[in-house]
Amino acid sequence: SQKIEQNSEALNIQEGKTATLTCNYTNYSPAYLQWYRQDPGRGPVFLLLIRENEKEKRKERLKVTFDTTLKQSLFHITASQPADSATYLCALDEVNYGGATNKLIFGTGTLLAVQP
Amino acid sequence: ETGVTQTPRHLVMGMTNKKSLKCEQHLGHNAMYWYKQSAKKPLELMFVYSLEERVENNSVPSRFSPECPNSSHLFLHLHTLQPEDSALYLCASSQWSSGGGVDTQYFGPGTRLTVL
Repeated sequence: SQKIEQNSEALNIQEGKTATLTCNYTNYSPAYLQWYRQDPGRGPVFLLLIRENEKEKRKERLKVTFDTTLKQSLFHITASQPADSATYLCALDEVNYGGATNKLIFGTGTLLAVQP
Repeated sequence: ETGVTQTPRHLVMGMTNKKSLKCEQHLGHNAMYWYKQSAKKPLELMFVYSLEERVENNSVPSRFSPECPNSSHLFLHLHTLQPEDSALYLCASSQWSSGGGVDTQYFGPGTRLTVL
């Protein structure tokens, strides 16, 4: 079955630097991959989606890359700010023999702490 | 956050109590989900409803009983829970496409459940 691996250790960076978070998956390549942000005690909030035929996607200070050869996605936040501190979740669509489904598989998330 | 609302936000119950969690979505979506989120674990999908019909039940114990009276409302009825059921319970909604298209999910704020 598909497994998602995100660094369980917190990532601490200085304000203004670029934060890079990693999402690795172990099995089939998904049709698309999503990144969500979750603040303590709140539900996840959708940030970006990248499809299997896309190498890179950008939205303001956010950038996502998708390498199906490495089975990896990288999530970058440039010019990071303390307000970016949160847990970031990677999610893939579940694929069965019938093709893509509407079910998402989530990673455990990586906690990002941006120090002022 | 106003797109998907959940009540109550916090709930403390004894093992013999019966309670219900409520979720309402105002996004016009046709699919709703219940997730369980425990510390250091990925989001666990419990139930999926599409067009008010349950399409997924991930071997959840019978002490959890979902109900979806219409496409905007979702309930999770709880009875004789165990302390290990203490977690954050998240509701989400999305627009379901039978062809397995992109499924970005919109989450509510969650209910923090503590079972004594």
